[in-house]
Amino acid sequence: EVQLVQSGAEVKKPGKSLKISCKASGYNFADYWIGWVRQMSGKGLEWMGIVFAGDSDARYSPSFQGQVTISADKSTNTAYLQWSNLKASDTAIYYCVRRTGSIWVFDYWGQGTLVTVSS
Amino acid sequence: EIVLAQSPDTLSLSPGERATLSCRASQSITSGFLAWYQQKPGQAPRLLIYDASSRATGIPDRFSGSGSGTGFTLTISRLEPDDFAIYYCQQYHSSTVTFGGGTKVEIK
Repeated sequence: EVQLVQSGAEVKKPGKSLKISCKASGYNFADYWIGWVRQMSGKGLEWMGIVFAGDSDARYSPSFQGQVTISADKSTNTAYLQWSNLKASDTAIYYCVRRTGSIWVFDYWGQGTLVTVSS
Repeated sequence: EIVLAQSPDTLSLSPGERATLSCRASQSITSGFLAWYQQKPGQAPRLLIYDASSRATGIPDRFSGSGSGTGFTLTISRLEPDDFAIYYCQQYHSSTVTFGGGTKVEIK
């Protein structure tokens, strides 16, 4: 069974750094792209970017380029989303997603990680 | 970037009724690369439809997708209590994936 299990909720102050994780199981991690989707409170879905787990080739939405870093470690079957300088506007739920093998739709989702940035 | 506009914002219907949700694209999605997701409160979204009209694994046949170019539709033939949720469309025609703003299907 494919599962994406994300790390727990985080509360951070503005300006701090943060790295959240998504551990995959039930499939060959290195064969798939794994990405991140943001959902601000009461709002819709925003695609942030994606990484190919096999070689760590990362692609970003223009809206998030330079704001976050997406990476993957195939030795631990884990993908990461990190910030170096958090802002209050980064407060949201972040979902990791697996891209299907051949098309850019997301067939498995993590349970979501709530990130709260507040002074 | 392709912008997706979903309508209506909210659809108030009763169980057993037919739901028709619209997704309009700012540019033609000639490839048909459009998907639909369902999200219930407190849960992650779930893939329903891909390539405009193909049902994902395990999705009941009361869900159907149609459309081409700039206009796409998700139809739920007979609403069941479990179908009241928010629905999002997503395009993957361009290299930047985008989602629509969502349509909430609520119980009337």
